[in-house]
Amino acid sequence: DAGVTQSPTHLIKTRGQQVTLRCSPKSGHDTVSWYQQALGQGPQFIFQYYEEEERQRGNFPDRFSGHQFPNYSSELNVNALLLGDSALYLCASSLALGTAYNEQFFGPGTRLTVL
Amino acid sequence: DQQVKQNSPSLSVQEGRISILNCDYTNSMFDYFLWYKKYPAEGPTFLISISSIKDKNEDGRFTVFLNKSAKHLSLHIVPSQPGDSAVYFCAASLGSNSGYALNFGKGTSLLVTP
Repeated sequence: DAGVTQSPTHLIKTRGQQVTLRCSPKSGHDTVSWYQQALGQGPQFIFQYYEEEERQRGNFPDRFSGHQFPNYSSELNVNALLLGDSALYLCASSLALGTAYNEQFFGPGTRLTVL
Repeated sequence: DQQVKQNSPSLSVQEGRISILNCDYTNSMFDYFLWYKKYPAEGPTFLISISSIKDKNEDGRFTVFLNKSAKHLSLHIVPSQPGDSAVYFCAASLGSNSGYALNFGKGTSLLVTP
């Protein structure tokens, strides 16, 4: 049973560019959340997708956008990259209904470096 | 504004002893609390959780204690093993189902020495 997978593993971009990160949820999961983990910090919630719609959003600018596909996989897009966007981007999947507790399964992350 | 705080960036414990990791939170609306463990180059993995209606939850060597009045929780690992060496994140959410975002602390790096 494959867990959460993310691609690419590492990415280097320059300021002003745009980037797309991809996530495939754990088999059977239908909800995908994205988190940003800056160096020395804990993960910060960006947004969550369920039924192909953004269900809730953290305190991130509109430069951060996402998408969920019918197969539940998801993309995170960041436009007009800033140096401060350099971070580990984590995708987490979960099952929206029937879960007794809020366990989200995380992927290994994509390390984004903005130069 | 950091709503979940882990004030100890690191902790070193001898193998066989107890490890105690602490976490404080400021939002009294948090209803569910979790601990995640993270190894380098891997995503965080769920360890143990506790609902706000309980004050203790135990799973093998891991026990989480919740003190709602103090807005404080702690993770006890007994006995500690070298394989427990990792970064531990405390997280809190407004509800117990997966529709709620997780609010994480900055993490505590635990080193268990032989």
